Amino acid sequence: EVKLVESGGGLVQPGGSLRLSCAASGFTFSSRWMHWVRQVPGKGPVWVSGIYNDGSSTRYADSVKGRFTISRDNAKNTVYLQMNSLRAEDTAVYYCARDTFYFDYWGQGALVTVSS
Amino acid sequence: EIVLTQSPATLSLSPGERATLSCRASQTASIYLAWYQQKPGQAPSLLIYNASDRATGIPARFSGSGSGTDFTLTISSLEPEDFAVYYCQQRNNWPWTFGQGTKVEIK
Repeated sequence: EVKLVESGGGLVQPGGSLRLSCAASGFTFSSRWMHWVRQVPGKGPVWVSGIYNDGSSTRYADSVKGRFTISRDNAKNTVYLQMNSLRAEDTAVYYCARDTFYFDYWGQGALVTVSS
Repeated sequence: EIVLTQSPATLSLSPGERATLSCRASQTASIYLAWYQQKPGQAPSLLIYNASDRATGIPARFSGSGSGTDFTLTISSLEPEDFAVYYCQQRNNWPWTFGQGTKVEIK
């Protein structure tokens, strides 16, 4: 059974940092792109970042480029999202998602709240 | 980036009725469009990919059509569990983008 479990969400002040983790199981992690997608409650999802199977290629939405860094540890079956210089508009539920050409499995989400 | 516009924003229907949801792309998405269903408190789940292919375990009452810039999700006869929000998503061009959603609610 494919499982994706996010952790690391919480309340952070504007300008602060947070690192999200997503632990994967039930599939060959090292053979899949992995992504982070965020969603403000009541709004549509927004793709944030993606990372290739071996970590050699990464992609970012313009809104987070230069502030967020995606990485992965295939030995630990885990993908990370390091978020720096956080802004109020980064407040959202952050999901990790497996890529099988589309987002076929999603985690349960981690809430990130940026507020003073 | 490709902007996806979904209509209508809300669809009020009764169980057993047919639902027709639209997704229009600002530039071609070819056939690389998916539909997701999201229920309150849950992550989105994949229904349709490549515009018309049903994901594993998705009932036949869900069907997708279209290519290029105009796409449609049809639910032939609404079941109680189908009342939810539906999103389209394209992966023809980076960045991958989602529509703003159509809520299918009970009339």
